[in-house]
Amino acid sequence: EIVLTQSPATLSLSPGERATLSCRASQSVSSYLAWYQQKPGQAPRLLIYDASNRATGIPARFSGSGSGTDFTLTISSLEPEDFAVYYCQQRSNWPPKYTFGQGTKLEIK
Amino acid sequence: QVTLKESGPVLVKPTETLTLTCTVSGFSLSNARMGVSWIRQPPGKALEWLAHIFSNDEKSYSTSLKSRLTISKDTSKSQVVLTMTNMDPVDTATYYCARAQEYCSGGSCYSRGYFDYWGQGTLVTVSS
Repeated sequence: EIVLTQSPATLSLSPGERATLSCRASQSVSSYLAWYQQKPGQAPRLLIYDASNRATGIPARFSGSGSGTDFTLTISSLEPEDFAVYYCQQRSNWPPKYTFGQGTKLEIK
Repeated sequence: QVTLKESGPVLVKPTETLTLTCTVSGFSLSNARMGVSWIRQPPGKALEWLAHIFSNDEKSYSTSLKSRLTISKDTSKSQVVLTMTNMDPVDTATYYCARAQEYCSGGSCYSRGYFDYWGQGTLVTVSS
């Protein structure tokens, strides 16, 4: 099964700074990679799908890139509401299964 | 407006069977382009995908939990049901249901691979 490894585990930054989060797959997932944001006590929210497409209503400061095994979520200028945990997720075509990374906690420095 | 809502017991005893229901609105489970997954999250830990049911009623399960899981749907009630047998304290978690859109090609349908709507989650504690 495909394993997703996210780095770093924790990222400490200040509002206004640029955040770069990484997700590496143990084998190619093509572009079937999504990113989610989760705040305490809330369900995850879809940010990016198919590696680089922003979901409906997601601000332009969020962007995704990559293909194959290496993916990046970039937040161009951090807003106070962006401090949360971020997960990447992939789906395999056959058999159809899904995998999440272990998460990156983005905290205020 | 698309919504999903999980329901079920808040407390189960070890060895019991857990049954959770996801009631959806704003879309139809009989629509040929919508599937639903169950995903869980132990307190303070990462998300773990459990099971998925496709629009054509095909099912897929987590390899590690396959022997304990059953997913089904009742389109007339707009509900997706997950049962998990032989519950253990390590199964204590918030359980979410989430929607995944599908696309069809060459007579088969495939998940688009991401979850665009989630329920609020329901915390299930396993304890005697």
